[in-house]
Amino acid sequence: EAQVTQNPRYLITVTGKKLTVTCSQNMNHEYMSWYRQDPGLGLRQIYYSMNVEVTDKGDVPEGYKVSRKEKRNFPLILESPSPNQTSLYFCASRSDTEAFFGQGTRLTVV
Amino acid sequence: AQTVTQSQPEMSVQEAETVTLSCTYDTSESNYYLFWYKQPPSRQMILVIRQEAYKQQNATENRFSVNFQKAAKSFSLKISDSQLGDTAMYFCAFMKPVGNQFYFGTGTSLTVIP
Repeated sequence: EAQVTQNPRYLITVTGKKLTVTCSQNMNHEYMSWYRQDPGLGLRQIYYSMNVEVTDKGDVPEGYKVSRKEKRNFPLILESPSPNQTSLYFCASRSDTEAFFGQGTRLTVV
Repeated sequence: AQTVTQSQPEMSVQEAETVTLSCTYDTSESNYYLFWYKQPPSRQMILVIRQEAYKQQNATENRFSVNFQKAAKSFSLKISDSQLGDTAMYFCAFMKPVGNQFYFGTGTSLTVIP
């Protein structure tokens, strides 16, 4: 079954404590990306990757890092989370015709 | 740059009735894909329907259909025989075939009233 798996689904953390949200896909897609969803703003792209070791900034990259050491994995790293990063996060991988989304991660930074 | 606009933040419809959600987009591309995604309270992003820009025929999936007007850059979603399970946030999205470009509208919250 085609799947994008991200973990954890829920995370509450404190300001400044580094965290990683994992993302894995089983479709051998080259393209992967991270989005954050905020009320009234829709989904905005944080970072994307066009292949292994190829990553680039999206529309809202400040405060985030990513890595793409393997084709299937694309973790999102918050080195020093702040309350304005409280949001719903989605990982996605895409073919030429469709995007597949993970289940979402609800992050709260207090 | 591409933009996607959903001008209806909230809508409601009576069960079994028909509702249309609006979406407009802006692009200079000739080849692209348009999507409607449904996001129920579970937060999962579920693909409802997809339209390829070079196909003139409007896409249909059971009770869901689109009205794709390429020249007007309009892509509305019609839900027929609305069901309680259709209550969700709906996002319109634009995607180019190659590259990272995938753009979302701000969403329309649809409530189906019993």
